Amino acid sequence: DGGITQSPKYLFRKEGQNVTLSCEQNLNHDAMYWYRQDPGQGLRLIYYSQIVNDFQKGDIAEGYSVSREKKESFPLTVTSAQKNPTAFYLCASSVGTGVTYEQYFGPGTRLTVT
Amino acid sequence: AQSVTQLGSHVSVSEGALVLLRCNYSSSVPPYLFWYVQYPNQGLQLLLKYTTGATLVKGINGFEAEFKKSETSFHLTKPSAHMSDAAEYFCAVSAYSGGGADGLTFGKGTHLIIQP
Repeated sequence: DGGITQSPKYLFRKEGQNVTLSCEQNLNHDAMYWYRQDPGQGLRLIYYSQIVNDFQKGDIAEGYSVSREKKESFPLTVTSAQKNPTAFYLCASSVGTGVTYEQYFGPGTRLTVT
Repeated sequence: AQSVTQLGSHVSVSEGALVLLRCNYSSSVPPYLFWYVQYPNQGLQLLLKYTTGATLVKGINGFEAEFKKSETSFHLTKPSAHMSDAAEYFCAVSAYSGGGADGLTFGKGTHLIIQP
């Protein structure tokens, strides 16, 4: 079955450590996105990528980094510079970057930093 | 830039009653509008979308929404609520921003509660 996988489902880290969240898709989609979700805040865009080896900052990119070395993969690193990293992180993909294309979402990773 | 406002962070309806979730948008260019549903600790699932053409859009699970340009609204409705409809609902807008699409702008969500 085609879809988006995110691993792990739950992730715990100590403050000051970098952590990388995995996102893989087998939908052959060109565009991929990372969102952060906090209670009552909706989803906020962290980074997005339209093609391999290219990505753009979203609204809240500070303290995060990404790479897009393969079409199927778009990992997100939460660095120690992110002041409030505890959140639910959602990865998404779409066929292209046209505005009419809907995004397909993975199941999410809940990150807790203590 | 575009924005989305969802009126009511929580909406409670009785099972079998009409569901109405409100969404208003702001966009300087023609918007494309989406409704997503999220069940606890899961990702988002597309319910329906408006791009062009017919302003009344039908989606999955009996939901529909109507695009009203004059009111800048895209309210989500369902004639008869079911217990399985209890979830978080997000309205989102997409619009060209000069450099191309750059992700969706989401509202803050409405938590739908179904009373037995």
